[in-house]
Amino acid sequence: QQQVKQSPQSLIVQKGGISIINCAYENTAFDYFPWYQQFPGKGPALLIAIRPDVSEKKEGRFTISFNKSAKQFSLHIMDSQPGDSATYFCAASLQRNTPLVFGKGTRLSVIA
Amino acid sequence: GAGVSQSPSNKVTEKGKDVELRCDPISGHTALYWYRQSLGQGLEFLIYFQGNSAPDKSGLPSDRFSAERTGGSVSTLTIQRTQQEDSAVYLCASSLGSASNTQYFGPGTRLTVL
Repeated sequence: QQQVKQSPQSLIVQKGGISIINCAYENTAFDYFPWYQQFPGKGPALLIAIRPDVSEKKEGRFTISFNKSAKQFSLHIMDSQPGDSATYFCAASLQRNTPLVFGKGTRLSVIA
Repeated sequence: GAGVSQSPSNKVTEKGKDVELRCDPISGHTALYWYRQSLGQGLEFLIYFQGNSAPDKSGLPSDRFSAERTGGSVSTLTIQRTQQEDSAVYLCASSLGSASNTQYFGPGTRLTVL
């Protein structure tokens, strides 16, 4: 049983466009939802995270939208750049300082 | 300061051999996690250490996998009698523990079992 489902598997976006990656979760006890960015040969790095008490969080060009009733959250990358080309993982955890449950990742390619 | 480091970066072994993978967490981080990343898959939780508490081993896929953390710092993941399906990138992460959710990942060890 996959607890966090991520889509699409891959995404190609034109430079300057908006990249949107979606995730759905099943466990309503999850209360921490981070997004990680991973470049080839590197470990994942935290990009942005949200808790279910807010519906949106923005940091620079990156925004998380959170829909608690639908058990869905998404990552929006505005003004996408070639340097954003990477694999993005959504994740969820039950409470502070517990193991993360990851989606299967989205490979984003931003083309000029 | 230094981030999470892992060694070796690559390990090629023969089926049936034992391997040890090492993780050095960020200094002062009390929580340490091991995950496995297989080709085309997300990260799969293996084991979690928090301070002096008993580790959460609920993610270990078989009794061939074990891990220890010495002195609350360095951790070693051991895989006995390796199988081809063990081939993956093994990632270690650390966090401040109760003070923060943020997990900082190392670069991983790519294990190839021939």
